[in-house]
Amino acid sequence: DTGVSQDPRHKITKRGQNVTFRCDPISEHNRLYWYRQTLGQGPEFLTYFQNEAQLEKSRLLSDRFSAERPKGSFSTLEIQRTEQGDSAMYLCASSFRQGKNTGELFFGEGSRLTVL
Amino acid sequence: DAKTTQPTSMDCAEGRAANLPCNHSTISGNEYVYWYRQIHSQGPQYIIHGLKNNETNEMASLIITEDRKSSTLILPHATLRDTAVYYCIVRAKETSGSRLTFGEGTQLTVNP
Repeated sequence: DTGVSQDPRHKITKRGQNVTFRCDPISEHNRLYWYRQTLGQGPEFLTYFQNEAQLEKSRLLSDRFSAERPKGSFSTLEIQRTEQGDSAMYLCASSFRQGKNTGELFFGEGSRLTVL
Repeated sequence: DAKTTQPTSMDCAEGRAANLPCNHSTISGNEYVYWYRQIHSQGPQYIIHGLKNNETNEMASLIITEDRKSSTLILPHATLRDTAVYYCIVRAKETSGSRLTFGEGTQLTVNP
């Protein structure tokens, strides 16, 4: 399967611990996005990269959150000092932007975080 | 990006057409209408998009009114596997942000 893959699929942690999620986009895609989704709500945009450059960050992305895409391929999303409010599904998506046209987003299955 | 309004939930009988409405009265000339769906415990999946002409692909049809203030996603022969939350999103295709802004969508339940 050559879709977007995310790891781990599930993570349970205690409040105050750090967690890291990894996303491997579709190989030829140059854009990578992170979204967060809580129960009953639509996904909320967090940040996106074009190649290795982080071009936009949402105000939802507090100082405890950091995302990287060091070589323009896979990306990591780290949450430091987790809080119970961080419990959510973290979704990664990728797309291919050529010229002025941005293709549709392909989402992974998400990483579900539970903070106890 | 323009705001959209969708019903919270809808039901449809298996084998019948499912027609999901979306209002986007503040849409501007360069904004497209996109539809995604999210099956329980999976990531969202692209379905279709259009600007002003009706569009059809292997998954669905998109009907956009002439004034572009509303649209309807049509699943011609709904199956149980079409049970999902359907999101109608309006955005400029060339927007520099390229983000999608999701609302709460419509929970479609296909009944046997």
